[in-house]
Amino acid sequence: NAGVTQTPKFQVLKTGQSMTLQCAQDMNHNSMYWYRQDPGMGLRLIYYSASEGTTDKGEVPNGYNVSRLNKREFSLRLESAAPSQTSVYFCASSAATYRTSGSTDTQYFGPGTRLTVL
Amino acid sequence: AQSVTQLDSQVPVFEEAPVELRCNYSSSVSVYLFWYVQYPNQGLQLLLKYLSGSTLVKGINGFEAEFNKSQTSFHLRKPSVHISDTAEYFCAVRGGFKTIFGAGTRLFVKA
Repeated sequence: NAGVTQTPKFQVLKTGQSMTLQCAQDMNHNSMYWYRQDPGMGLRLIYYSASEGTTDKGEVPNGYNVSRLNKREFSLRLESAAPSQTSVYFCASSAATYRTSGSTDTQYFGPGTRLTVL
Repeated sequence: AQSVTQLDSQVPVFEEAPVELRCNYSSSVSVYLFWYVQYPNQGLQLLLKYLSGSTLVKGINGFEAEFNKSQTSFHLRKPSVHISDTAEYFCAVRGGFKTIFGAGTRLFVKA
């Protein structure tokens, strides 16, 4: 039982390059999330998916796209990377569904991807 | 709108001393509050959460937090810290699927 896994662990991009961050969970969770963590700002929600086939914007969605490929996997894509997207990216999952609204359940986090955009 | 303010960015403390990490929140809806811990180069782990009921919440690793509605606070406490408690701690408020995190407090435990 690996929990939430993320690949890659580290990545360096040049401005304008594209890449996809991968996330998978093996806990049969319904909801998955992408956050970015910047110094002095805590974590900010980029996108979330409350069920397979659905995605919703979070606090800072600009410059990102997501895909909920199936129940296990939720990917984050940067189409044209910018230095402002240098950050540590965390994926998380939880059991919540739209019906349960998600407010009270526990989120489980992956180990993070450290991305640098030059 | 919801927001979270962690009042201290860094807290140094000696081993076996008590510690309090302060968190104030604002929310116009039902309040669900969380504390997470992040060890170096790792993801976040849940320490404890307040959903309803008793205002004193006990979590893992000997931590506890008290929900104070009148002061809109949710401070985290531990009566005696260990070197292994050195980490960053995040307070968070939840509304639906969206979690608002505080900026974090770095706890340094010195021998």
